[in-house]
Amino acid sequence: NAGVTQTPKFQVLKTGQSMTLQCAQDMNHNSMYWYRQDPGMGLRLIYYSASEGTTDKGEVPNGYNVSRLNKREFSLRLESAAPSQTSVYFCASRKLGGPIQETQYFGPGTRLLVL
Amino acid sequence: EDQVTQSPEALRLQEGESSSLNCSYTVSGLRGLFWYRQDPGKGPEFLFTLYSAGEEKEKERLKATLTKKESFLHITAPKPEDSATYLCAVQALNTGFQKLVFGTGTRLLVSP
Repeated sequence: NAGVTQTPKFQVLKTGQSMTLQCAQDMNHNSMYWYRQDPGMGLRLIYYSASEGTTDKGEVPNGYNVSRLNKREFSLRLESAAPSQTSVYFCASRKLGGPIQETQYFGPGTRLLVL
Repeated sequence: EDQVTQSPEALRLQEGESSSLNCSYTVSGLRGLFWYRQDPGKGPEFLFTLYSAGEEKEKERLKATLTKKESFLHITAPKPEDSATYLCAVQALNTGFQKLVFGTGTRLLVSP
């Protein structure tokens, strides 16, 4: 049981290039999330998918797109990277249902540098 | 607007020197408060969830408590391996189950 996995671990892009960050979970969780973490800012939600087939914007969605490929996989795409998107990106997942909220479990992160 | 403030930003302790980290929050109704531990270069690791004022949870040397305005993470007799950044997050009633608002964390360094 690997939990939440992310690829790549590290990426360098030039301004204007595109790339897709991949995330997969093997915990049979329903909801998946993408966050970015910047110094002094805390983790901020980019997009989330409450369940397979749905996606919604979070706090900082501009410049990003997402795809919930199936229950296991949730990808984040940067169509035209900008230096302001230099950050560490975390994927998380959560199980729905039950009388008590289930917490979000995080992947190891992707470190992205945009030059 | 929902807000989470953690203090101090950084804390240096000697091994065995107990202390507390603070998480103050402002939300329009609390659904849950979460504590995570984050090691350098790693993703946040779940520690505790607290749901109502007066609730307490413990795990090894860590104990989390909750009031209507803040949460404390008490560290008793810390060891060097407790060194990490501790993150607090809240989930508000009016935002549903999907959105966590995170604080910026407290960096803890425990020296032998």
